[in-house]
This record gives sequence, C-alpha cells and structure tokens, in this order.
Amino acid sequence: GAVVSQHPSWVICKSGTSVKIECRSLDFQATTMFWYRQFPKQSLMLMATSNEGSKATYEQGVEKDKFLINHASLTLSTLTVTSAHPEDSSFYICSPARGEAYEQYFGPGTRLTVT
Amino acid sequence: DAKTTQPTSMDCAEGRAANLPCNHSTISGNEYVYWYRQIHSQGPQYIIHGLKNNETNEMASLIITEDRKSSTLILPHATLRDTAVYYCIVRVPGGSTLGRLYFGRGTQLTVWP
Repeated sequence: GAVVSQHPSWVICKSGTSVKIECRSLDFQATTMFWYRQFPKQSLMLMATSNEGSKATYEQGVEKDKFLINHASLTLSTLTVTSAHPEDSSFYICSPARGEAYEQYFGPGTRLTVT
Repeated sequence: DAKTTQPTSMDCAEGRAANLPCNHSTISGNEYVYWYRQIHSQGPQYIIHGLKNNETNEMASLIITEDRKSSTLILPHATLRDTAVYYCIVRVPGGSTLGRLYFGRGTQLTVWP
C-alpha cells in the first residue's frame, strides 16, 4: 500500500493559537486530499476535499476560515487549525488519493489537544 | 447517499473465520463497496473493495449478494491483531472523478484467544 506520513503525530497547544498539520504522500502523487477528524469513541467525519492547486471544498458545518487547507503540491497538504479552542481537540487524519483512487489510503493521524 | 448498516460489535475466536455483514440496500448501480478497518488510535487501513463480483486479496474476501444490497467481509483465519473497528462504506461519486468516503459507526471486532 501507499506510504502516508503526518506531522506532528501529536500536539498540545494553548487556546487561541494556531496549529499546522502536515500530510505527505511519500510514494505517489496525490491529486486529491481528504481531511477527516475523529472525536473520541466516534467515527471519522469528512471535513474537506482539496484538489492540487485549487481551493478546498468543505463539508457542511465545517468552517473554512478556521480550518485552512493548502494542497500546493502533489505530495504535500497542510491543515491549519486557526485560533484553536478546546472543542477543536480531536484526531485529525489525512487521506491522499490519486486518479480514480480505488484504493484510498490514510495517514497515521495527528492527535490535537487544546488546553 | 447510500447508507450502510453494520452490527455494533462481534466476537471471533482466534484462528476461526470472521464474517462481518453489511447492509447497503439503497446502493446505486455505479457505487462500490469498500471495507476499511481502524485499530485504536491509528488511521484507517484499506482492506478490499468490490462492485459486483466477489473479491479476494491477501487480507480478506468480499462477498457481494447478487442484488448488491448486502455484503460480507471474511477474514479467513482471524488473529488477535485483527481486533479493530471495521467500516463498510459505499463510495459516493463526487469531486470530479473521485468519490468521497463517508464513514459510519462500523463494527467492533474482538478476536479472543
């Protein structure tokens, strides 16, 4: 399967600060990037979809100005949580895909805790 | 969007086959059935996918009924490391030629010694 990395794997930040999460597809070019978040004991929730070089499409209820997604290259996408608050504490997972993406892969996830 | 229904939890003895059912009675003709699993605090892992025919790979087999309204994921010889939440997902077309994957609550499979 494809190799996907996320950095950092976990982060603790203070309320009001911004946090950037990087996602890299190490052995293939991702034309599309999906970002998910997962709260404890819940399933994954799709936040947004981005295609390389274009603006992300956000799911209903996800604030685009709070969760900034950059997909500047085919191997790197970033998610920035701006002005983080404790309710943003979650497990954030990226999922790069290519072409028809019959096999969609996922990153290992980033655990964000906002204090 | 087509939805899936899975049992909340299942148990299986180590070495035995684990059969995980999924109901997707409203699936459309061009929608695929995907299976992923998630081990605690990790990203989901792709297992297998299919459209109409049964599929098999090194991890599992996927049996899709002829009317495509349900499917079963089979882990032929379950091990303790197969303990995870298993998600059955119907792929919704969207985003140019790429579909989005929406996750339900999945089935917690526990393999016991």
